Amino acid sequence: GDSVTQMEGPVTLSEEAFLTINCTYTATGYPSLFWYVQYPGEGLQLLLKATKADDKGSNKGFEATYRKETTSFHLEKGSVQVSDSAVYFCALSDSNNDMRFGAGTRLTVKP
Amino acid sequence: GAVVSQHPSRVICKSGTSVKIECRSLDFQATTMFWYRQFPKQSLMLMATSNEGSKATYEQGVEKDKFLINHASLTLSTLTVTSAHPEDSSFYICSARGSTEQFFGPGTRLTVL
Repeated sequence: GDSVTQMEGPVTLSEEAFLTINCTYTATGYPSLFWYVQYPGEGLQLLLKATKADDKGSNKGFEATYRKETTSFHLEKGSVQVSDSAVYFCALSDSNNDMRFGAGTRLTVKP
Repeated sequence: GAVVSQHPSRVICKSGTSVKIECRSLDFQATTMFWYRQFPKQSLMLMATSNEGSKATYEQGVEKDKFLINHASLTLSTLTVTSAHPEDSSFYICSARGSTEQFFGPGTRLTVL
């Protein structure tokens, strides 16, 4: 079945460092791809999404491009802040519109 | 944006008791709601999909008699963990699908002693 594999954490960065969290997927058909963020003690929030190949999702300085040729949807941010510390989940919406999640990557940004 | 609430946010119960968790979509109607379980340091695992007015569809390996799901209205779904055991301790998250995307609840931390 459809699945998502993302870079395992934890990831620790200094403030203003560049962030990349890798995500690759396996799917039949053409899934929509998502990044969700979970701040400490809270539920999931949609960070960004892309619905077709070559689409770029962006929000709050984060970006990810839907790469069909490499089946990837890597999350990037040029300059992270302490407030970005959270767990990030890559996900896809499969042919049944069910969400499939990656394992999550915990990001800690230090001042 | 759309809001999904869960109640309670935390619950501690004794082994053998049942616990009900409510999930509500506050400002939209959700024909489909989802229940996920999140183990420590692991991803969300879809437990079941429920459509309003019909029986839930459970993922493989999820016991339907243990995790009872009711989706009685377009804004409310409930998950009842029956005869809870310590291994059922987890973080349970519901999600409601609106017209364009899924919205997630804040989660319920269940601890079974």
